[in-house]
Amino acid sequence: GESVGLHLPTLSVQEGDNSIINCAYSNSASDYFIWYKQESGKGPQFIIDIRSNMDKRQGQRVTVLLNKTVKHLSLQIAATQPGDSAVYFCAEKTPDKLVFGAGTILRVKS
Amino acid sequence: DAGITQSPRHKVTETGTPVTLRCHQTENHRYMYWYRQDPGHGLRLIHYSYGVKDTDKGEVSDGYSVSRSKTEDFLLTLESATSSQTSVYFCAISWGPGGEQYFGPGTRLTVT
Repeated sequence: GESVGLHLPTLSVQEGDNSIINCAYSNSASDYFIWYKQESGKGPQFIIDIRSNMDKRQGQRVTVLLNKTVKHLSLQIAATQPGDSAVYFCAEKTPDKLVFGAGTILRVKS
Repeated sequence: DAGITQSPRHKVTETGTPVTLRCHQTENHRYMYWYRQDPGHGLRLIHYSYGVKDTDKGEVSDGYSVSRSKTEDFLLTLESATSSQTSVYFCAISWGPGGEQYFGPGTRLTVT
């Protein structure tokens, strides 16, 4: 298995349920955020992004919510499927690079 | 992973030996990055490049050097590998600083 998952928080959901993955960021000046999905043995894949002038952005089955007051963003996955099982990272933009969170493991139970 | 390749994909080497990892892109992105990923640490930036021959250090650059002689290639060199450099290494590319990054498939390096 992928060793990157050791010591990460884990969210277990039943197939078909909605998933909510949370992320706290540190820099109140950050103006751009990205969610990535990383499947076992693969590189991270872009899921959805949001700019700080927005509170919510929707994609296909995914929604990102941004609360700048408490420096928190969340990723909501509707009707979670077995293929959604992965590690999910948030990233915040600093002036010249992205800073990544440690990630959350999502496990989908069939 | 389309447009970004890393080589080798797996490597086992001995302590004290030099190692070079290669990242190759076909997307003509200006920025390229090297990260390492370790259990519980997420992705940590080693070095990045903002153009040919233009590079800068990331948060964990000690023991690593990089070179970029062509837009499409970004090399990461461990001059003398140590066991603490056992990790999975990812290359990424982006159009601009701090923007959306696209990742390669990774290289698993084991230093014995």
